[in-house]
Amino acid sequence: ETGVTQSPTHLIKTRGQQVTLRCSSQSGHNTVSWYQQALGQGPQFIFQYYREEENGRGNFPPRFSGLQFPNYSSELNVNALELDDSALYLCASSTRQATNEKLFFGSGTQLSVL
Amino acid sequence: GQNIDQPTEMTATEGAIVQINCTYQTSGFNGLFWYQQHAGEAPTFLSYNVLDGLEEKGRFSSFLSRSKGYSYLLLKELQMKDSASYLCAVNLDSWGKFQFGAGTQVVVTP
Repeated sequence: ETGVTQSPTHLIKTRGQQVTLRCSSQSGHNTVSWYQQALGQGPQFIFQYYREEENGRGNFPPRFSGLQFPNYSSELNVNALELDDSALYLCASSTRQATNEKLFFGSGTQLSVL
Repeated sequence: GQNIDQPTEMTATEGAIVQINCTYQTSGFNGLFWYQQHAGEAPTFLSYNVLDGLEEKGRFSSFLSRSKGYSYLLLKELQMKDSASYLCAVNLDSWGKFQFGAGTQVVVTP
């Protein structure tokens, strides 16, 4: 296990609703990245948070937003849910103490949008 | 745009060797990583290459040629527990922004 925890593990929402996913990073890690993994695909980078600020964003619309808290935990918020938002959402933490640092992933939140 | 290609599925028998190829064309490159993902679980780190050549870690080895935009992951002495998806990923900016391939599902048969 990596020490990265995500909640909830599964979630069912309807189109148009809003959702908040949570992530606690591994102890000592100050950087959190969020990824979306559709069925049969690789993870797609959503954004990264470092020192409570967004530090890099992938090709996702503004209705995907996030926060990082002083204890380095993080939230991913998705507004106006669409059917295509159904996916596994992965949180990954790292320390930024070295370049090319590997990511430590949580087990993810499986979101289903009906 | 970013493009990472790897085969969709590979099948091999227990004890055999399998090589998973990965080709990439990305706007940035700061290392090529390989992750293993069992169904319903988180990806876990296997290996990475920054410079050209071969990196060996036990039963797993990874190779990189930056001039060819090519990498492979070699799995030796296959075990049933190696049945999983193997993700090729390029570190685009050194700080955790990765571009992943779609993954190669490896099926190990008895």
